[in-house]
Amino acid sequence: EPEVTQTPSHQVTQMGQEVILRCVPISNHLYFYWYRQILGQKVEFLVSFYNNEISEKSEIFDDQFSVERPDGSNFTLKIRSTKLEDSAMYFCASSLLAGDNEQFFGPGTRLTVL
Amino acid sequence: QKEVEQDPGPLSVPEGAIVSLNCTYSNSAFQYFMWYRQYSRKGPELLMYTYSSGNKEDGRFTAQVDKSSKYISLFIRDSQPSDSATYLCAMTANAGGTSYGKLTFGQGTILTVHP
Repeated sequence: EPEVTQTPSHQVTQMGQEVILRCVPISNHLYFYWYRQILGQKVEFLVSFYNNEISEKSEIFDDQFSVERPDGSNFTLKIRSTKLEDSAMYFCASSLLAGDNEQFFGPGTRLTVL
Repeated sequence: QKEVEQDPGPLSVPEGAIVSLNCTYSNSAFQYFMWYRQYSRKGPELLMYTYSSGNKEDGRFTAQVDKSSKYISLFIRDSQPSDSATYLCAMTANAGGTSYGKLTFGQGTILTVHP
């Protein structure tokens, strides 16, 4: 069964460093998303991406964040200068259609900022 | 008022029990409703997906949506220890209008089914 994959599973970084989280969405899906979940809190939407551009972003997704689809398979989230409060699980998701709305999530990357 | 409210529990039931999980919401634009299951430190797994009001059944799971009351439910029949997880409700508005698939999640309900 096709699935969303994410690497690394755990990333530890120092405050102020740049990190890139990687995702491989389901191959025929067209819409891609990033969510985050701070420990003990809700899953929160960060950004949606379609046709090589951002469709929608939340207030959390400020200038420190960027997304890219560098090739036909990968979808990345970059945090330029990490803060302590960026520590969270980051989930990538994909869906075939926005109207479909059946989003399939990856296993997540645990980001720890020290 | 929070957009989506879900009792975090925890909820503990004996094996074989019927489980009822619920969410309320305030945004009348929500039209697509989902239930996800999340095991500890794993990604959410899509269980049920419904559009608008009504019931949908899939095996032991039944999802119910009442848009007039802004209330959704997930019922699990004959619950098993393997159903022990956190259950998240999620919803979104009509894509292409005000939303491009952004999901708004509830807090999640922690469920334990004991043998």
